[in-house]
Amino acid sequence: KAGVTQTPRYLIKTRGQQVTLSCSPISGHRSVSWYQQTPGQGLQFLFEYFSETQRNKGNFPGRFSGRQFSNSRSEMNVSTLELGDSALYLCASSLAPGRWDTQYFGPGTRLTVL
Amino acid sequence: AQSVTQLDSQVPVFEEAPVELRCNYSSSVSVYLFWYVQYPNQGLQLLLKYLSGSTLVKGINGFEAEFNKSQTSFHLRKPSVHISDTAEYFCAVAQPSNSGNTPLVFGKGTRLSVIA
Repeated sequence: KAGVTQTPRYLIKTRGQQVTLSCSPISGHRSVSWYQQTPGQGLQFLFEYFSETQRNKGNFPGRFSGRQFSNSRSEMNVSTLELGDSALYLCASSLAPGRWDTQYFGPGTRLTVL
Repeated sequence: AQSVTQLDSQVPVFEEAPVELRCNYSSSVSVYLFWYVQYPNQGLQLLLKYLSGSTLVKGINGFEAEFNKSQTSFHLRKPSVHISDTAEYFCAVAQPSNSGNTPLVFGKGTRLSVIA
């Protein structure tokens, strides 16, 4: 069974640009969560999607948004990039919300903002 | 809201020596607890989890952890480490609810460095 895939793996953008990251969950998994990982703040929850609906949202500004498609694939978008948005963005999929015992993480997308 | 404290940011240890990585969480009626490992340039891999039942949990790669409710701890242990265990380790907690939508809360991580 294929794992969680994230594209692209690496991305370089400049301040003010916007970016879209993609996540394909494990087959059969319907819940997708996104996390931001930085050296200073560690792993922080961004949002969770299930059945194309945002179920939960972390404490991030409105520049961070996401969506989920009918095939459970998810995208997250960051508009008006700032230097502080440089981070590893991790996607995780699970069978359903709250099923952390079935949660698997993707390899992440490394975003660098110049 | 739940919080997780990993007491050591870095732990150096010699190969074949035992290691313990400490994790404490804020008190709650019931929690689910997890340990993840992250190798360089990779995502997180689940090492082990505590959902209920036996307080001693065995995971992959010879790791185990013990849930201690009175001390609100979930320390990770391995009796003999290998060079390949060098990685960052994250403790995480979730609070089960009827709606199941409480996100995982992670600690800041502990960098384990195994010295030959």
